[in-house]
Amino acid sequence: SQQGEEDPQALSIQEGENATMNCSYKTSINNLQWYRQNSGRGLVHLILIRSNEREKHSGRLRVTLDTSKKSSSLLITASRAADTASYFCATERSNDYKLSFGAGTTVTVRA
Amino acid sequence: DVKVTQSSRYLVKRTGEKVFLECVQDMDHENMFWYRQDPGLGLRLIYFSYDVKMKEKGDIPEGYSVSREKKERFSLILESASTNQTSMYLCASSLTSGAHQETQYFGPGTRLLVL
Repeated sequence: SQQGEEDPQALSIQEGENATMNCSYKTSINNLQWYRQNSGRGLVHLILIRSNEREKHSGRLRVTLDTSKKSSSLLITASRAADTASYFCATERSNDYKLSFGAGTTVTVRA
Repeated sequence: DVKVTQSSRYLVKRTGEKVFLECVQDMDHENMFWYRQDPGLGLRLIYFSYDVKMKEKGDIPEGYSVSREKKERFSLILESASTNQTSMYLCASSLTSGAHQETQYFGPGTRLLVL
């Protein structure tokens, strides 16, 4: 069953702007992960944040996690054309340790 | 670098055919997964395996079976393909750290069309 829901479904921004997308989930989690998928390809792991962490950075990526609101956000700063992709959040649920993926946010970066 | 490979990028099969999708990983990961991805539905877990010869049903196992005879290889079988199994199939593998899963590494996907 789908645990995470990304918002918005689609996002179009100019190169150099920041892109922010959100993920909400329903049950308690061990960790939350963000993945990127370029058109027609497999998913690539971007970042993992554990339930006891509030913020994490990796290069131009910043992830926050608010377990009280059951939500996370992914910020991509200074976007580039190569950031055009679909972004998925995935949660590892506390009770069964499987990953549950949302439907994704499609990001288009215009040159 | 972890490498997960899938036997075919594109596959066209007829209704009723038996279909084998193979996945191989080269990093000695305990866990392997099969997902299907459909527009607007994200990834849905079909089956997973946490050890050789072990398998567990995911969220949508109906119409599928799996086989894991060796640690590096995880096969997805469509016993009698149907048109509603037309989809993108993604394989993934991961390590277990304590009681938790870590990052999943994905293959490039197999786009299956059932006519």
